[in-house]
Amino acid sequence: GDSVTQMEGPVTLSEEAFLTINCTYTATGYPSLFWYVQYPGEGLQLLLKATKADDKGSNKGFEATYRKETTSFHLEKGSVQVSDSAVYFCALSSSGGYQKVTFGTGTKLQVIP
Amino acid sequence: GAVVSQHPSWVICKSGTSVKIECRSLDFQATTMFWYRQFPKQSLMLMATSNEGSKATYEQGVEKDKFLINHASLTLSTLTVTSAHPEDSSFYICSARLQGGTEAFFGQGTRLTVV
Repeated sequence: GDSVTQMEGPVTLSEEAFLTINCTYTATGYPSLFWYVQYPGEGLQLLLKATKADDKGSNKGFEATYRKETTSFHLEKGSVQVSDSAVYFCALSSSGGYQKVTFGTGTKLQVIP
Repeated sequence: GAVVSQHPSWVICKSGTSVKIECRSLDFQATTMFWYRQFPKQSLMLMATSNEGSKATYEQGVEKDKFLINHASLTLSTLTVTSAHPEDSSFYICSARLQGGTEAFFGQGTRLTVV
């Protein structure tokens, strides 16, 4: 079945540091890939997505590129801010209906001033 | 973007009682809604898929008699935790998808504490 593996956290960075959160996936067909962010006490918000190979999703300075050859969708940001502190979930939705979303375990990011 | 509202945001109930959680799509119609459960420091686990006008589809291992799902209209799905016990304490999140869309929109979640 489908699965998503992302790096364990927590990740602690200083403000303006470079961020990478690794994510790899296993799926049949051609899934859509997502990064969701969850701020403390809140639900999930879509951060970015990519629906086909080599697509790059980007939002709020975050980027991720859909790499089919390595089955990866790593999240990057060049300069993190304290306000980026949250839990980040990598997820996929299999092709053929986009019914279910499979999530990774989440990576907690803490950015310190 | 589309907005999904979940209510209540938190609830504390006594063991043995039932709790109802509502999930509403505010500015779009959702034929399908999803209910997830999130344990502390863990990922979201899909519990069931709620289909408007028909029975919900439950994931393996989820007790359908304990977690009752009703999707009575195109904008409302409810999850009722019946005879709640402390082990049911968790964060429950719903999501809805625009018809034909690829993106799921999430509610803000409900923190359930059973004492």
